[in-house]
Amino acid sequence: QQQVKQSPQSLIVQKGGISIINCAYENTAFDYFPWYQQFPGKGPALLIAIRPDVSEKKEGRFTISFNKSAKQFSLHIMDSQPGDSATYFCAATLHMAGGYQKVTFGTGTKLQVIP
Amino acid sequence: DVKVTQSSRYLVKRTGEKVFLECVQDMDHENMFWYRQDPGLGLRLIYFSYDVKMKEKGDIPEGYSVSREKKERFSLILESASTNQTSMYLCASSLRGLVGYEQYFGPGTRLTVT
Repeated sequence: QQQVKQSPQSLIVQKGGISIINCAYENTAFDYFPWYQQFPGKGPALLIAIRPDVSEKKEGRFTISFNKSAKQFSLHIMDSQPGDSATYFCAATLHMAGGYQKVTFGTGTKLQVIP
Repeated sequence: DVKVTQSSRYLVKRTGEKVFLECVQDMDHENMFWYRQDPGLGLRLIYFSYDVKMKEKGDIPEGYSVSREKKERFSLILESASTNQTSMYLCASSLRGLVGYEQYFGPGTRLTVT
């Protein structure tokens, strides 16, 4: 059962444009929503994250918009650059009583920014 | 900087072989995880461990086992490798604690089973 649905699967954006990746979740118990960025040959790395009591978080050119009632969140990359070309994963996290996190990942979006 | 290292970047094994994937982290993290990454499926959790000698099944544990004898080291074992276990395997670690702790990933091991 896919608990976090991510779209689109791939995205081509021109340099300077806005890249938008959308995710939807089902489990209202999720308590943290990170986005990970993965370059070829590397492991994913945390890009930006948001808690469900916040509707928007911005870090530089990257913004998460969060809609708790719709159970949806999205990543916006402003002024997209060729260096942003990577695979992006949304995720939803459950923090368990034992102090560990159970993370459910989306299926990934391969972003290509063309000059 | 947190560093998570994996023993091999690429591995080719034959069907039926026993395969060991090793992961080491250097930041004294309590939690360690093994994922597999497949195109169109994202990252799926195989096993995780929140303490030495402790292990918990993830979403897809069948055909795998794990071992955590030391805090910094977490091993994934394929008892009898099969072709459907050809995949990218990612190890991650994190601190135990409250909301907001990120997972740090290693570079991955691309395993091919022939």
